[in-house]
Amino acid sequence: QSVLTQPPSVSGAPGQRVTISCTGSSSNIGAGYDVHWYQQLPGTAPKPLIYGNTNRPSGVPDRFSGSKSGTSASLAISGLQAEDEADYYCQSYDSSLSGWVFGGGTKLTVL
Amino acid sequence: QVQLQESGPGLVKPSETLSLTCTVSGGSVSNSNYYWGWIRQPPGKGLEWIGSIYYSGRTFYNPSLKSRVTISVDTSKNQFSLKLSSVTAADTAVYYCARLHGSHQGWFDPWGQGTLVTVSS
Repeated sequence: QSVLTQPPSVSGAPGQRVTISCTGSSSNIGAGYDVHWYQQLPGTAPKPLIYGNTNRPSGVPDRFSGSKSGTSASLAISGLQAEDEADYYCQSYDSSLSGWVFGGGTKLTVL
Repeated sequence: QVQLQESGPGLVKPSETLSLTCTVSGGSVSNSNYYWGWIRQPPGKGLEWIGSIYYSGRTFYNPSLKSRVTISVDTSKNQFSLKLSSVTAADTAVYYCARLHGSHQGWFDPWGQGTLVTVSS
């Protein structure tokens, strides 16, 4: 059971917009700790997609955006492309655990 | 450009100690702006943070693994290491090392390519 809760899977057709939620609690996201998002393509290491809730590293398309409100955060992907099919993870810090935590991951399928 | 590379045995026997090293190139583990971390991913499952270390040697461990984990740093070799004792099949996973930006608000970037460690007799 992950400290941060994500839907196991989401799907969308090419060109559509999908969102992936990340629900935490008052000891992590709700405590003001930043949320970060990673994309993991099959057989590869995770790659940062969004850091500090809303910021994109250099090279990440602006089709990817992040938001945070209360005890939750969301990753939005617009203009879906086949190459976006991957696993996506949120990550934050938890003060009760005194450590960094990940969501369980969401598998994105592009139909 | 900082790069990280994990190294160590790919097969460990049950009850023994798993030992991995992460070698950092293109940057220094002594850089005070960063922490360094270990994350693992069992086959077909999600990511689990194992622990993190600062160049001073200050460590942070996942409470669920704390009794079995030791992370250390060797600034002279620009490396940091992971030891996980009393392993079982449940410790079979791809183990990643990564640089941690920003301490408690931080994110992991870059990551090593990962190394699969199988626990089996």
